[in-house]
Amino acid sequence: GAVVSQHPSRVICKSGTSVKIECRSLDFQATTMFWYRQFPKQSLMLMATSNEGSKATYEQGVEKDKFLINHASLTLSTLTVTSAHPEDSSFYICSARDPDPGPVTGQYFGPGTRLTVT
Amino acid sequence: SQKIEQNSEALNIQEGKTATLTCNYTNYSPAYLQWYRQDPGRGPVFLLLIRENEKEKRKERLKVTFDTTLKQSLFHITASQPADSATYLCALVGNYGQNFVFGPGTRLSVLP
Repeated sequence: GAVVSQHPSRVICKSGTSVKIECRSLDFQATTMFWYRQFPKQSLMLMATSNEGSKATYEQGVEKDKFLINHASLTLSTLTVTSAHPEDSSFYICSARDPDPGPVTGQYFGPGTRLTVT
Repeated sequence: SQKIEQNSEALNIQEGKTATLTCNYTNYSPAYLQWYRQDPGRGPVFLLLIRENEKEKRKERLKVTFDTTLKQSLFHITASQPADSATYLCALVGNYGQNFVFGPGTRLSVLP
């Protein structure tokens, strides 16, 4: 199946700094990628939909100036958490759909990035 | 607003038995329903997709049913094994892949 990678897998940063998380589709081109956040023992919450070559679409309540998304190529999307605070500590997961099998297939998820802000 | 419920936060069953997980939803008419498996500290893994006009789908030891009248999907794992222990998430999807919404998940533990 399709493979999605994320980097880094784990990051600890100080409050007020910015952190960039990369999401790559390794064996397919993804025109659309998704960014989720997951708090302990809770489900995935969609933060934004990243479209290659255009602006991301953010879900209600997600600050676009705080969570910057760049989908510069068909295999790479980045999420930058700017001026991170302890409440931003969470598990961030990206996903992509393989467009070949059709518009509605399962999503392929990355392994996730554990962000801890101290 | 859209709401998805999964039968319980945690489910314990004995090895060899059939595990049945439930996904109920309201205020949504999904075109597709998907099931995922998530292990601790990992991203979810896609398992099965069932369309609104399909009643049942099978894949190896997995079986999914979809009742759009009851607004419910059942996910069965037959001959369960300790390796099946994980959190299972259902997700609803609109006709063109939009409105992708995950349920809260059920943590399944298969006891040896």
